[in-house]
Amino acid sequence: DIVMTQSPDSLSVSLGERTTINCKSSQSVFYSSKNKSYLAWYQQKPGQPPKMLIYWASTRKSGVPDRFSGSGSGTDFTLTISSLQAEDVAVYYCQHYYGTPFFGPGTKVDIK
Amino acid sequence: EVQLVESGGGLVKPGGSLRLSCAASGFNFPKAWMSWVRQAPGKGLEWVGRIKNKADDGTTDYAAPVKGRFSISRDDAKNTIYLQLNSLKTEDTAVYYCTMGAGLSDYWGQGTLVTVSS
Repeated sequence: DIVMTQSPDSLSVSLGERTTINCKSSQSVFYSSKNKSYLAWYQQKPGQPPKMLIYWASTRKSGVPDRFSGSGSGTDFTLTISSLQAEDVAVYYCQHYYGTPFFGPGTKVDIK
Repeated sequence: EVQLVESGGGLVKPGGSLRLSCAASGFNFPKAWMSWVRQAPGKGLEWVGRIKNKADDGTTDYAAPVKGRFSISRDDAKNTIYLQLNSLKTEDTAVYYCTMGAGLSDYWGQGTLVTVSS
């Protein structure tokens, strides 16, 4: 199985600041047959189910604010929040979804 | 609007069984691949398993920790999927979410809590 790791475990960020979360897979999640990386990002606010933000590593789901962006390929990926808003307080998970899906352990983001 | 509504959770003793249901609406359910994801209290997300649509042979896949104990089925006439949980262990205690998608979970239900305790 492909295992996902994330860093940092948590971070405190001032409103309006840039936030970067890293995700690493134990093997490449890029598949040449599709020419895509099977990597998604989810946001889970307290007491709510997760919500998909990004898929194919960098495609934003419709309706997701453009301050959220994803990048990376192969084994190293990044979720960036360009300007943190109060409503972005949440735990963020990366996930690979090829074969047996696997989530990262999550990164908790709160306001400094 | 896509809606997924889980039900059937509750308290069960170790070794017991439970069947969860997920009623879907707002999309072409017979064409959808569906999954279950769980989250232990205060912990992260764990993919449990999925079921393909019947056109893609309707087969199921499971995560290693639940393989042989859990099974997923679907009733396209009722727009519902099920998760049968057998031989439950205390470590199966979690909120179980129904999601639309094979692995990439586009939409999620609110979840149903399963507590395994003596």
